[in-house]
Amino acid sequence: AQSVTQLDSHVSVSEGTPVLLRCNYSSSYSPSLFWYVQHPNKGLQLLLKYTSAATLVKGINGFEAEFKKSETSFHLTKPSAHMSDAAEYFCVVRYTGRRALTFGSGTRLQVQP
Amino acid sequence: NAGVTQTPKFQVLKTGQSMTLQCAQDMNHEYMSWYRQDPGMGLRLIHYSVGAGITDQGEVPNGYNVSRSTTEDFPLRLLSAAPSQTSVYFCASSYSSHHNVEGSYEQYFGPGTRLTVT
Repeated sequence: AQSVTQLDSHVSVSEGTPVLLRCNYSSSYSPSLFWYVQHPNKGLQLLLKYTSAATLVKGINGFEAEFKKSETSFHLTKPSAHMSDAAEYFCVVRYTGRRALTFGSGTRLQVQP
Repeated sequence: NAGVTQTPKFQVLKTGQSMTLQCAQDMNHEYMSWYRQDPGMGLRLIHYSVGAGITDQGEVPNGYNVSRSTTEDFPLRLLSAAPSQTSVYFCASSYSSHHNVEGSYEQYFGPGTRLTVT
């Protein structure tokens, strides 16, 4: 079955330190990959998307993600965390031939002062 | 543009009651969908629509009905609410064309409806 695995349910970093949120997906020909962010009691906002162009994708708020086909990974990174980055992050895949999105279970990012 | 709007924001139902969650978008998007979000499970697709008059089931359709009479609106109906339907419900929309299955498929999400069934 096609699936998306977010390897950490919670990640805690200090303000100013790097952020790494990990995501693996089940192998598929040319999937579309997304990262969404959800702040408390809010809807989901698109951070960035990969659609078979450049493998390093830059998003909003300084986030970026690298598509690695050999590892079936799409990890999200940010060089320096800010307090406002505290939120839940979802890795999302649209598998080829399917209209629907498949969501990972989410990673809650905490940023300590 | 208001984007994707959902009403109500909060709702409490008793078991067996029925209700409709409203969703509207003003972006002329063809594709609309309903998800439910439960702790530790991400979002799961309930139903979706690729255009007015066309709907299909997603991953967890049981207990829910939908219809799409206009491009703008995509209501979700609970015919007989059950405690297992306690969740946060999100509506989403995106551009779509039946001629273009590929594409970025960026989805725009509404603010959600928090539903509690007692």
